Amino acid sequence: DVKVTQSSRYLVKRTGEKVFLECVQDMDHENMFWYRQDPGLGLRLIYFSYDVKMKEKGDIPEGYSVSREKKERFSLILESASTNQTSMYLCASSPGTSGISGELFFGEGSRLTVL
Amino acid sequence: AQSVTQPDIHITVSEGASLELRCNYSYGATPYLFWYVQSPGQGLQLLLKYFSGDTLVQGIKGFEAEFKRSQSSFNLRKPSVHWSDAAEYFCAVAGVTGGGNKLTFGTGTQLKVEL
Repeated sequence: DVKVTQSSRYLVKRTGEKVFLECVQDMDHENMFWYRQDPGLGLRLIYFSYDVKMKEKGDIPEGYSVSREKKERFSLILESASTNQTSMYLCASSPGTSGISGELFFGEGSRLTVL
Repeated sequence: AQSVTQPDIHITVSEGASLELRCNYSYGATPYLFWYVQSPGQGLQLLLKYFSGDTLVQGIKGFEAEFKRSQSSFNLRKPSVHWSDAAEYFCAVAGVTGGGNKLTFGTGTQLKVEL
């Protein structure tokens, strides 16, 4: 079975802390994504990566950065967490860069609460 | 820029009744369209997708969707709903940029099934 694993299901952090959200996929996919999910807003793309060491901004990159040092791992970093970053974070991956396969494989999500 | 509108935030149906979830998209060219489902506490799972060809597409779990270019719609349907279909449903459109897999999601429709 294909699998996207997010290291932490639930996190509670304090304002100003640095937060790392880790995501690992075992499908040898080229593409990886971080989305944020909020009630009434759906999923919004934060960052994505088409290859190792490559990253592109999504629709809401402010306050976030990412790292992709290995193909299977894509990390989301909150340099200084704020309360408005309390949310559910979803990692996803997909194969290939030629054409569109369309299917994203999602992890189960990381629910972050910033106090 | 591409966008997706799901006009219904919540829908309640009785088990065994038919279901239609609405989705309207905005995209300059031929869209690539998707429906995903999210069960409570889970990541998203692909139900079906439309790339080209037959405008009526079949998906998993007995779902289907019809692409109507004239109405910019891609509504999801199921003839007889089961209690296990209670979940949140997301419509998405893919933009052909970069690796081609950048999906924009709607805000979701929460489905409740009454027994």
